Amino acid sequence: QVTLRESGPALVKPTQTLTLTCTFSGFSLNTSGLCVSWIRQPPGKALEWLARIDWEDDKYYSTSLKTRLTISKDTSKNQVVLTMTNMRPVDTATYYCARTTMFRGLTHDYWGQGTLVTVSS
Amino acid sequence: QSALTQPSSVSGSPGQSITISCTGTSRDVGGYNYVSWYQQHPGKAPKLMIYEVTNRPSGVSTRFSGSKSDNTASLTISGLQAEDEADYYCHSYTSTTTLGGVFGGGTKLTVL
Repeated sequence: QVTLRESGPALVKPTQTLTLTCTFSGFSLNTSGLCVSWIRQPPGKALEWLARIDWEDDKYYSTSLKTRLTISKDTSKNQVVLTMTNMRPVDTATYYCARTTMFRGLTHDYWGQGTLVTVSS
Repeated sequence: QSALTQPSSVSGSPGQSITISCTGTSRDVGGYNYVSWYQQHPGKAPKLMIYEVTNRPSGVSTRFSGSKSDNTASLTISGLQAEDEADYYCHSYTSTTTLGGVFGGGTKLTVL
């Protein structure tokens, strides 16, 4: 059974750095073709892909946010960490992590429940 | 502004069929058979409904089907049920960004 769970602060102040952790089970990030992605959704708005890390530790970032994002993994702990620097109120959103399968054209087949992050002073 | 264009809303009565379109370009929807569709109920995480244009994951109702023509993909829901009322998002692999894929803007389905 594949599960993912996001954890991190619910509230951050403007200019601070956000660190989110995705803890997963039911698969290994050592498996060829498997990745973990971060996707966010501002309240009432659409989904936006942020970053992805794959089984070979290759990392990919949204073009518009790449200067602020860092993704990393700890395979032994089954965790993927996303950091986003210089947080702003417009970054207020629910942040999801999802398992992504490369061999199905980047299909996000399992999702975490999401964690709401509010950026406010 | 999303890279893929979806209608903001569609509606239908129970038992009817509806289709949601997702329009991109030859660099995403039209160039690859890597379109997926996600259902999202209020306050819930998205759920994969269709992948690789036409494939249904195990457990997804056969009432959901996908297709593609040129740069437009479509999700069809037949025999509408009240539980189908949700937001639906399309997603496609794209060659125009850092290999991240792009989402549509989402479509609110209302079951009348």
